[in-house]
Amino acid sequence: QKEVEQNSGPLSVPEGAIASLNCTYSDRVSQSFFWYRQYSGKSPELIMSIYSNGDKEDGRFTAQLNTASQYVSLLIRDSQPSDSATYLCAVMRSEYGNKLVFGAGTILRVKS
Amino acid sequence: KAGVTQTPRYLIKTRGQQVTLSCSPISGHRSVSWYQQTPGQGLQFLFEYFSETQRNKGNFPGRFSGRQFSNSRSEMNVSTLELGDSALYLCASSLGPGNEQFFGPGTRLTVL
Repeated sequence: QKEVEQNSGPLSVPEGAIASLNCTYSDRVSQSFFWYRQYSGKSPELIMSIYSNGDKEDGRFTAQLNTASQYVSLLIRDSQPSDSATYLCAVMRSEYGNKLVFGAGTILRVKS
Repeated sequence: KAGVTQTPRYLIKTRGQQVTLSCSPISGHRSVSWYQQTPGQGLQFLFEYFSETQRNKGNFPGRFSGRQFSNSRSEMNVSTLELGDSALYLCASSLGPGNEQFFGPGTRLTVL
């Protein structure tokens, strides 16, 4: 079992719709969770971090964490063509210092 | 505030050679982590440095090494290059261990 699992997609949504990206993790002791966006040929860009159960909203983005079920999700409201990218989920355990463990990423395509 | 910078951006080497990559973190950030990204393996953790000390190392052979200087700048070195070392090498900086990590643009290494 991979430590962090994501559906590779592609996930296709129409412009203006809500895109829902999901991630599950195997290590129950993981403490910090991050979503990165990566455009083709570019480096990952941090878009959300979440550290406790529940929802965290930032503009059009909402991260949701459920530690009991070991999943973290990212909702993108009013999706735009510019949101088309690969979304990477990453988890961290403080005992392991700064080591981020990444999922393989979900490709999102927003159709105008 | 300037972001993470990495040099060089592109590098072409032949098998058996060695290479040194450089990373300058965001001003005030003291922690630097390195990652390798390939299409087949995704993003994988190489090592982490804080206060000039390697705190954590990923599952890579000893040909991969690094160091951090007193000004928090970091270098990584790969000796005896193999074809499989062709990848995007990413540096990420953070205030300290456990904090959000911000990636540089990466160094694209091609080994012929």
